[in-house]
Amino acid sequence: GDSVTQMEGPVTLSEEAFLTINCTYTATGYPSLFWYVQYPGEGLQLLLKATKADDKGSNKGFEATYRKETTSFHLEKGSVQVSDSAVYFCALVPYKAAGNKLTFGGGTRVLVKP
Amino acid sequence: GAVVSQHPSWVICKSGTSVKIECRSLDFQATTMFWYRQFPKQSLMLMATSNEGSKATYEQGVEKDKFLINHASLTLSTLTVTSAHPEDSSFYICSARGLAVTGELFFGEGSRLTVL
Repeated sequence: GDSVTQMEGPVTLSEEAFLTINCTYTATGYPSLFWYVQYPGEGLQLLLKATKADDKGSNKGFEATYRKETTSFHLEKGSVQVSDSAVYFCALVPYKAAGNKLTFGGGTRVLVKP
Repeated sequence: GAVVSQHPSWVICKSGTSVKIECRSLDFQATTMFWYRQFPKQSLMLMATSNEGSKATYEQGVEKDKFLINHASLTLSTLTVTSAHPEDSSFYICSARGLAVTGELFFGEGSRLTVL
């Protein structure tokens, strides 16, 4: 079945450091790919998405590129802030799946220190 | 963005009792809601999909008699864990999708259940 694998955390960084969170997936066809973020005490929020190969999703300084050849959707940010401390989830929706049924990775906790 | 609220955010109960968790869409009508379960340091696992006014569709391996889901209105879905046992202790998260917010799911903040 479909699955998403992302690097385990926690990832601890200093402010203004470069952040990369690896995400790879297993799915048939061309799934849609997502990154969600969960700030402390809040629900998951959509951070960015990409729906086809070579698409780049971006939001709030974060970027991720849909790489079909490596089945990856790594999340990057060039200069993190303390406010980026959160848990990040990579997810997919299978190609032509109905109802937005998401398959999630295990989540990566990021802690940014001042 | 749209807001989804869960209540309670945490609950502790005795083994054998039933617990109800509510999921509300506060500023939109949610035709479809999803319930997830998350074990520590693991992925969110989809438990069931509920559509307003119809029976929920459960994922394979999820006991429908154990986890009762009701989606009686366009703004409220409930998950009832019946005769809870310690192995039911987990983090339960709902998400909602409405007609006016095509393509995006909005998530509640989650409810942590601890069964003693």
